[in-house]
Amino acid sequence: GEQVEQRPPHLSVREGDSAIIICTYTDSATAYFSWYKQEAGAGLQLLMSVLSNVDRKEEQGLTVLLNKKDKRLSLNLTAAHPGDSAVYFCAASVGDNSKLIWGLGTSLVVNP
Amino acid sequence: DMKVTQMPRYLIKRMGENVLLECGQDMSHETMYWYRQDPGLGLQLIYISYDVDSNSEGDIPKGYRVSRKKREHFSLILDSAKTNQTSVYFCASSLGPGQNTLYFGAGTRLSVL
Repeated sequence: GEQVEQRPPHLSVREGDSAIIICTYTDSATAYFSWYKQEAGAGLQLLMSVLSNVDRKEEQGLTVLLNKKDKRLSLNLTAAHPGDSAVYFCAASVGDNSKLIWGLGTSLVVNP
Repeated sequence: DMKVTQMPRYLIKRMGENVLLECGQDMSHETMYWYRQDPGLGLQLIYISYDVDSNSEGDIPKGYRVSRKKREHFSLILDSAKTNQTSVYFCASSLGPGQNTLYFGAGTRLSVL
């Protein structure tokens, strides 16, 4: 079945720098990809989602890139600020069974 | 207001006791989930419910059972809790099949001593 690997597990950047998180997946039939943010002591919140027919999506300082050839999904936080410090998860779904396959998360720290 | 509410937020139980974790959502979502989150293991799916009395095992159902008698309410039950069930448990909901945006509750931190 589908497997999702996420890297790096920990990331520390300075305020204003970019932070890039990458997920690779195995099933070329994967149809839906999403990124979630988990702040300390809270549940996960959807940041962005893309379908497999989208290569690039930008929203509010976030850029998601999907490279289907390499089976790679990335999240780029441009000009990170301390409020972006959190754990970020990618998730993928192959079909309509509502089951997501999750990466293990990236703990991002943005230092002032 | 779109919300998933989990109760209680914190719970301490002794090994062998029964545990009831409750989850409610106000969005009339068909699909609901129970996950547990452990350091280094990410999110593991325990059960998924597609609607009232339509529940399916996830990846780690052993030691757990669920109940969904109303669309807005989904319970996770641990009969005779074990110390390795100490974890943070998250409930989530989504609109329905193929609607993969999940809305999460704030989690229940369970300690089994």
